[in-house]
Formats: sequence, C-alpha cells, structure tokens
Amino acid sequence: KAGVTQTPRYLIKTRGQQVTLSCSPISGHRSVSWYQQTPGQGLQFLFEYFSETQRNKGNFPGRFSGRQFSNSRSEMNVSTLELGDSALYLCASSRLAPDTQYFGPGTRLTVL
Amino acid sequence: AQTVTQSQPEMSVQEAETVTLSCTYDTSESDYYLFWYKQPPSRQMILVIRQEAYKQQNATENRFSVNFQKAAKSFSLKISDSQLGDAAMYFCAYRSAGRTGNQFYFGTGTSLTVIP
Repeated sequence: KAGVTQTPRYLIKTRGQQVTLSCSPISGHRSVSWYQQTPGQGLQFLFEYFSETQRNKGNFPGRFSGRQFSNSRSEMNVSTLELGDSALYLCASSRLAPDTQYFGPGTRLTVL
Repeated sequence: AQTVTQSQPEMSVQEAETVTLSCTYDTSESDYYLFWYKQPPSRQMILVIRQEAYKQQNATENRFSVNFQKAAKSFSLKISDSQLGDAAMYFCAYRSAGRTGNQFYFGTGTSLTVIP
C-alpha cells in the first residue's frame, strides 16, 4: 500500500506570496493532519480534517488554512508569507480519528 | 493542554549497546495513547512503537521496548542492540483517547547518534 505523499517536496517563495501544499493520504485513511516543524518550535499542530470537516485547529493565524476533498486528499494554504513561515510542513493520515498517524515526507518551504 | 517533555536533546550509544530515551508528559486524562516516532535524516517520520494507557503491559517491537509508568507519567524508549540505522531524531507523542479528533502533542525530540 502506498504511503502518504506530499507535493511539492521543496518550495521557495518570497515574502507576501501565497502557497498551496498538497497531501494524499494512505488509501482508506479519512483523517489528515498537518504539522509545522521548525528547529526552534519543534512540531506544532496546524489542523486536522476528517471526512472533509475541520475537527481541530492549532494556534496559528488565519493566514493558514486548509481543506479536504471527498477523496480525502488535503491541501493547506498559507497566504501573505512571512520569513517565519519557513519550515518543514508534515502531513499525517490515519484510518480513523483518533488513530495512529502515518507521516508523509514533508514539504520544505523556504520564504525569502 | 497536554505537554510532552523530552529532557535529553542529544544522546549517543555504541553500536550493539542499549540506550534509553526519556519522555515525561503532563495530563489530567486517564485514557490516552503514547507513541515514539523516529525521524531519520531523510526526514520521513516513522512510527516506532505505541502504548495504550489502559494497558499495564509495556509495548515491545523487536529491539524497541518501552517502560511505561502511568503514575509517574513517564514513557521511556529502550533500544537494544543499537544499529547504525537507528541514528535519528526520536519524538515522543501523546494523544487523547476520549476526544474526537486526532491531535497529537509532540516533545522536542532527542537526537540519537550511533557510534560504530
């Protein structure tokens, strides 16, 4: 069974731009969570989607948003990028919620 | 909110030896799950082991085992017969069992070096 996939793997953007990251969960998984990983803050929870509904949201500004499609694929969007948004963005899927999460390889976002 | 603490930013172990990584957590809940994830330099997070809080028996997965002390809110990971491939960042994580949703709380990680 294919694992969690994330695209793109690397992104370079400039301040003020917006970006969309994509995550395809493991087949049959309905829950998708997003995390931001930085050296200073570690892994921080962004939000979780289950059956196209946002179930939980972390403490991030409204510039961070997401959605989930009927096939469980998820996207997250960051608008008006700031330098501090540079991070590794990890997506994790699980069959149910709550359940064990399986992670994708991440998208490395660099904001210049 | 739940907090997870890993007090050892870095650890090292000789190949074939045993190492224990520490994790403590703070919660008022009685039912929850605990996890250890491994993140090698390739950056893909991999599940190492999972423990249900209602189970008294410590989880084991081949060379990996945990010492779960519920009263002390401690959840350490023991790696036996360490191999070069065990070198990675290890994260301890907590998840509530009772709520809807699937929010995980992670510790700050322990970087494990395996010395040949």
